[in-house]
Amino acid sequence: LAKTTQPISMDSYEGQEVNITCSHNNIATNDYITWYQQFPSQGPRFIIQGYKTKVTNEVASLFIPADRKSSTLSLPRVSLSDTAVYYCLVVPSYNNNDMRFGAGTRLTVKP
Amino acid sequence: NAGVTQTPKFQVLKTGQSMTLQCAQDMNHEYMSWYRQDPGMGLRLIHYSVGAGITDQGEVPNGYNVSRSTTEDFPLRLLSAAPSQTSVYFCASSEIATNEKLFFGSGTQLSVL
Repeated sequence: LAKTTQPISMDSYEGQEVNITCSHNNIATNDYITWYQQFPSQGPRFIIQGYKTKVTNEVASLFIPADRKSSTLSLPRVSLSDTAVYYCLVVPSYNNNDMRFGAGTRLTVKP
Repeated sequence: NAGVTQTPKFQVLKTGQSMTLQCAQDMNHEYMSWYRQDPGMGLRLIHYSVGAGITDQGEVPNGYNVSRSTTEDFPLRLLSAAPSQTSVYFCASSEIATNEKLFFGSGTQLSVL
């Protein structure tokens, strides 16, 4: 299983763009990169998933360089409600059972 | 649309007691799983099921049993609770078992005294 490394915490201010980088040096060919968001007292919520290059949805963008050894989750114009823990996962395409949630990045958005 | 429903939301047990955490989903998902989350840590997979009648162990299965008699329900049983099982438990489901986004319930906070 590919191990992921991401910052423990980050602070930002409302209206700023936030970029959270995740390192996954031993990612395998079959692996996808997936990000989840977790608010206090709630289960994680899927944000975005990608394999290479750039993926964008209504919530975030995911940038993946050609070597796929890292990825960056970009949250545009954050608000206080984006305060949460963000998890980066490397998930094999063939098996949900190898999804490993690390400690995540605790993002705090300040007024 | 209810999604994944977990009951109860809170539970306090004494050491040695047994109980069942309930999980139900109304999305006709094949895959269901149970995770535990300890303070300041990520989620760890306890057991999972790829369909009715099929279950298997995850990363931390000891002390827990599961069954999957229907597509909708996936209960988690603690046969003899221990303080080390104090945690928040999350149930999740996905349409299929391969690389599909997981939908999580809101969790059960369990304390074992």
